Amino acid sequence: QKEVEQNSGPLSVPEGAIASLNCTYSDRGSQSFFWYRQYSGKSPELIMSIYSNGDKEDGRFTAQLNKASQYVSLLIRDSQPSDSATYLCAVHSGGSNYKLTFGKGTLLTVNP
Amino acid sequence: KAGVTQTPRYLIKTRGQQVTLSCSPISGHRSVSWYQQTPGQGLQFLFEYFSETQRNKGNFPGRFSGRQFSNSRSEMNVSTLELGDSALYLCASSLGGARNIQYFGAGTRLSVL
Repeated sequence: QKEVEQNSGPLSVPEGAIASLNCTYSDRGSQSFFWYRQYSGKSPELIMSIYSNGDKEDGRFTAQLNKASQYVSLLIRDSQPSDSATYLCAVHSGGSNYKLTFGKGTLLTVNP
Repeated sequence: KAGVTQTPRYLIKTRGQQVTLSCSPISGHRSVSWYQQTPGQGLQFLFEYFSETQRNKGNFPGRFSGRQFSNSRSEMNVSTLELGDSALYLCASSLGGARNIQYFGAGTRLSVL
């Protein structure tokens, strides 16, 4: 069973701090990695995608991928109360396995 | 460009009934995936269709089925509803490749009484 693991949280950070969200995956052949944000009562929306080892930055968000360690993370700099949501890590194994496997999500709360 | 559209947004059914949910993907997207989301289990993959063919199926009983039409619109059906089928059902569309981003609809909230 291919799994994606995340700390369920809640993770609480003060406004302006860096929030660090982590994810590990079991399928070493995984090729594509995504972070989605889901506000309460809403559907998931894409924050970042990353496909190769290293860092990828987009505004206040940085995704980090380490395939050797089977680890992907999301850093949110200068956290805002509007960042309070559940963050979902999703992994695509590639090949003929056309599906995303999601972690159960980490609830982030940013305190003003 | 219009996003992914799911109908209906809310449904209330009783045990034993069946239900059909609809999903219209983003124009040009040929892949449609369905997920079930519950507080305890998170987002679980149901199945994925590409050009009217089911390419992958998750670990759900045969009561859950789906199909895709030639215009890429998709439906999923749940027969003989059980209380445990109460969930948010999400549809996502993409171009269909491993690197292609999946875009989610607003979901259908199903309550089984």
